[in-house]
Amino acid sequence: GDSVTQTEGLVTLTKGLPVMLNCTYQTTYSPFLFWYVQHLNEAPKLLLKSSTDNKRTEHQGFYATLHKSSSSFHLQKSSVQLSDSALYFCALSGGSNYKLTFGKGTLLTVTP
Amino acid sequence: GGIITQTPKFLIGQEGQKLTLKCQQNFNHDTMYWYRQDSGKGLRLIYYSITENDLQKGDLSEGYDASREKKSSFSLTVTSAQKNEMAVFLCASSMVGGREQYFGPGTRLTVL
Repeated sequence: GDSVTQTEGLVTLTKGLPVMLNCTYQTTYSPFLFWYVQHLNEAPKLLLKSSTDNKRTEHQGFYATLHKSSSSFHLQKSSVQLSDSALYFCALSGGSNYKLTFGKGTLLTVTP
Repeated sequence: GGIITQTPKFLIGQEGQKLTLKCQQNFNHDTMYWYRQDSGKGLRLIYYSITENDLQKGDLSEGYDASREKKSSFSLTVTSAQKNEMAVFLCASSMVGGREQYFGPGTRLTVL
């Protein structure tokens, strides 16, 4: 079946530094990839999505590129802010239009 | 735009008790989902309903029942709450055939 791996459970960074959160996936179908962000006690919200190989997608300063050759969709930002502190989930829609497979999530903490 | 409302926000129950969580959406989406969120385990699908008269089991359906009362509402029942169970239950919705899901703020369950 489909699977998503996020290798970092916790990332702590100082404000202004760049960040990359890793996401790799496995599916035998044509993949749709998503990044969701969940701030404390809030609903997860869609941050980025892509199904196009090698095309960078951007939103709110975050960006990611789907690389089908390496089955990756890493999330990046050039300069993190305190407000970026949140839980980030990578999710895959593979064989089913209706089911998302989520990674375990990465908690990003940004310090002053 | 739209919104997903989940009630109650906090739910405290006793071991063995039957507990019901409710979800309402005004996106006019056909498909609705229930997920369980545990720390360090990502989101796991419990039940989903593709259209108003449909009900599908997810990966974690044992111990739960679900009911799609109408297009806008989807309930989840914990059939026998387990002691020390603590998790957040998230409701989500999407357009039929749409891979992008929108989430509610969650119900936090504690079982004493």
